[in-house]
Amino acid sequence: DVKVTQSSRYLVKRTGEKVFLECVQDMDHENMFWYRQDPGLGLRLIYFSYDVKMKEKGDIPEGYSVSREKKERFSLILESASTNQTSMYLCASRGGQAISGANVLTFGAGSRLTVL
Amino acid sequence: AQKVTQAQTEISVVEKEDVTLDCVYETRDTTYYLFWYKQPPSGELVFLIRRNSFDEQNEISGRYSWNFQKSTSSFNFTITASQVVDSAVYFCALSESSGYSTLTFGKGTMLLVSP
Repeated sequence: DVKVTQSSRYLVKRTGEKVFLECVQDMDHENMFWYRQDPGLGLRLIYFSYDVKMKEKGDIPEGYSVSREKKERFSLILESASTNQTSMYLCASRGGQAISGANVLTFGAGSRLTVL
Repeated sequence: AQKVTQAQTEISVVEKEDVTLDCVYETRDTTYYLFWYKQPPSGELVFLIRRNSFDEQNEISGRYSWNFQKSTSSFNFTITASQVVDSAVYFCALSESSGYSTLTFGKGTMLLVSP
C-alpha cells in the first residue's frame, strides 16, 4: 500500500515564524499535492508538483511556498506564519503522468497547524 | 473551470436508516473522473470509488452504492442500513483529463449516525 507520511500531526507556532510541513511518500509517485482543509470550505489546493524540482500553483498559493528536491519528499513552507493560516494541511501523492486524472490520490493523516 | 457542489452540509440519521449524499459537478471536459472519499474522525481521507465519464453504470459495493447520471451531472452516494462506523465527512471530487488534472473537491457532507 502507498503510504504518505506527514511529519507532524499537531503544530503550534507564533505569528511571523517560518513553518515547514514535511511530507514523504514511499511508492515512487510522480505527483504530490498540498491541500488545506477548513470547516465549510472543504479541501483547497495550495500547490502541487509533478516532478522533482517542478511546482505549480493551486487555487490558494498566497503565503505559501513549496520545495521538492527529492521525488519522495514534498515540503510546504509558510515563510511568515499568520493566524489565518491556522488550518489542517493534507498532503497527497498520485502515480502516473501529470495529466493522469484517472489515478487515485493517496492522502497522509494531516497536520493541524495553529498559529497564535 | 471545474466545480463540485455538495449541498448537504450535515446529515444525521439513526442506525439502519438508508442515506443518500448528493454530489453535483460542473466541467467543460468530455473526459473526466469522479471520486468519493471518506474522512473518518482520525482525519485521513480514504478513497472509496472512482468513475470515468464514459461509464454510467451504477456500482454497488456491500452497503455502498453510487448513482452516476451525466444528464443531471450528478454522482450520488447511498449508504444502505447505515452503521455508527459510517460517521465521517464524505467528499465528492472531480478531475478533468486536460491540464494537470488536479482534483477539485466539494465542501463535504458530515454524516452522523447515531445508535
